[in-house]
Amino acid sequence: GAVVSQHPSWVICKSGTSVKIECRSLDFQATTMFWYRQFPKQSLMLMATSNEGSKATYEQGVEKDKFLINHASLTLSTLTVTSAHPEDSSFYICSAWRGAEAFFGQGTRLTVV
Amino acid sequence: AQSVTQPDIHITVSEGASLELRCNYSYGATPYLFWYVQSPGQGLQLLLKYFSGDTLVQGIIGFEAEFKRSQSSFNLRKPSVHWSDAAEYFCAVWMDSSYKLIFGSGTRLLVRP
Repeated sequence: GAVVSQHPSWVICKSGTSVKIECRSLDFQATTMFWYRQFPKQSLMLMATSNEGSKATYEQGVEKDKFLINHASLTLSTLTVTSAHPEDSSFYICSAWRGAEAFFGQGTRLTVV
Repeated sequence: AQSVTQPDIHITVSEGASLELRCNYSYGATPYLFWYVQSPGQGLQLLLKYFSGDTLVQGIIGFEAEFKRSQSSFNLRKPSVHWSDAAEYFCAVWMDSSYKLIFGSGTRLLVRP
């Protein structure tokens, strides 16, 4: 079946540094990928829609300059959390659709210290 | 506004008992509905989906859901719960008009031995 892979699974970084999270569709091409953020014991909140070859579409309230999204190829989208602060600590999940089904990455646990 | 509601934050059932998780949606058009399960620190796994046709949908590992348009509901059921079913369950609606998958707040299932 289709697989979406995220890397890294977890990362700890110092406050003020930047962190890049990769999302890959392993056996299919995805012109669109979605990035979600999930706080502990809460639901997934859509952050942005990543579009291959064009700018990402961000949800209201999501800072474009803090959460940089690059969808440079049909199988890879990256989310860079710039100048991370402790409040950016969260679980980030990407997804991509193949046909009528969304496939999700395993998520990335970001801890900013 | 379009939304998905899961009214139960937690549900505890005994192993072997039946289960029903509630989901209500608010969407003007015909919805595409999904149920996902998430184990701690993991991504999401699709249990089942409804697009059209038979309103009773069979999913994986013994789950089923029934779409009731008159009640704007898509409740998830399982006749006999296993301890391994303990997880977080999310109902989601694909908003075709905005090209987004919107999640409910989730229901945490606890299974008593």
